[in-house]
Amino acid sequence: KNQVEQSPQSLIILEGKNCTLQCNYTVSPFSNLRWYKQDTGRGPVSLTIMTFSENTKSNGRYTATLDADTKQSSLHITASQLSDSASYICVVSVRGTYKYIFGTGTRLKVLA
Amino acid sequence: NAGVTQTPKFRVLKTGQSMTLLCAQDMNHEYMYWYRQDPGMGLRLIHYSVGEGTTAKGEVPDGYNVSRLKKQNFLLGLESAAPSQTSVYFCASSYSVLPQHFGDGTRLSIL
Repeated sequence: KNQVEQSPQSLIILEGKNCTLQCNYTVSPFSNLRWYKQDTGRGPVSLTIMTFSENTKSNGRYTATLDADTKQSSLHITASQLSDSASYICVVSVRGTYKYIFGTGTRLKVLA
Repeated sequence: NAGVTQTPKFRVLKTGQSMTLLCAQDMNHEYMYWYRQDPGMGLRLIHYSVGEGTTAKGEVPDGYNVSRLKKQNFLLGLESAAPSQTSVYFCASSYSVLPQHFGDGTRLSIL
C-alpha cells in the first residue's frame, strides 16, 4: 500500500535552533517528492521538489534530502524563526499516474 | 496571493442543500485539483482536471461533481450535502502533475 509517514507529529523548538523533520514512504513506483509549508488557515506552499536522482535541495534556510534507496526524506530547518511555525507536509507522487500521497504533516512551533 | 483564489472562504449548509465552490487561477496552468483536508489525515484528492473541458475522479469523488468549462476556473459541486462532507476544501493548480499552487481553502460545515 502506498503510504507516507511523517515524524514527529509535532515539535516545539526555541527560536534560533535547528530542527529536522522526517518523511518515510512506501510509494512505488516513485516519481518525485515535494515538501510543503502550511500556515494555520492557509493553503500549502511548496518549499522544494525532488526527483529520484536528487539527493539534496535547498531553499533558503530549508534543506531537503532524499535517499531513494531507503525511501526516506528529511527537511532540515536552520536557525529557526517564529515565522517557521507551521505544518510541514511531505507528498510523494506515483510515477505514471496523477496519484499523490500526502503525509499528515509535522506541526512545528517555534517559541521566542 | 492572486495565484489561486477560492470562493467562498466559509460556508454553513444544512444537510441536503447544494452549493458550488469556485476556484480561479491566473497562471495559465493546465492542471487543476480539488482536495479535502480533514483532521489527522493527509489531503485527499477529490477530482482533478488536466485541461479545459476535462475532468477525472480522484481518491474520494463520491458526492461531488466538477466542471472545467474555462481553463482558469474549476468548480466543485455538492448536489446534496451530507455531514461527512464537513471539511476544508483546497483547490490547487500546476504546470505539471504535482500540484504547485494552492488556494487558501474553503471551510465548509454541514449541519
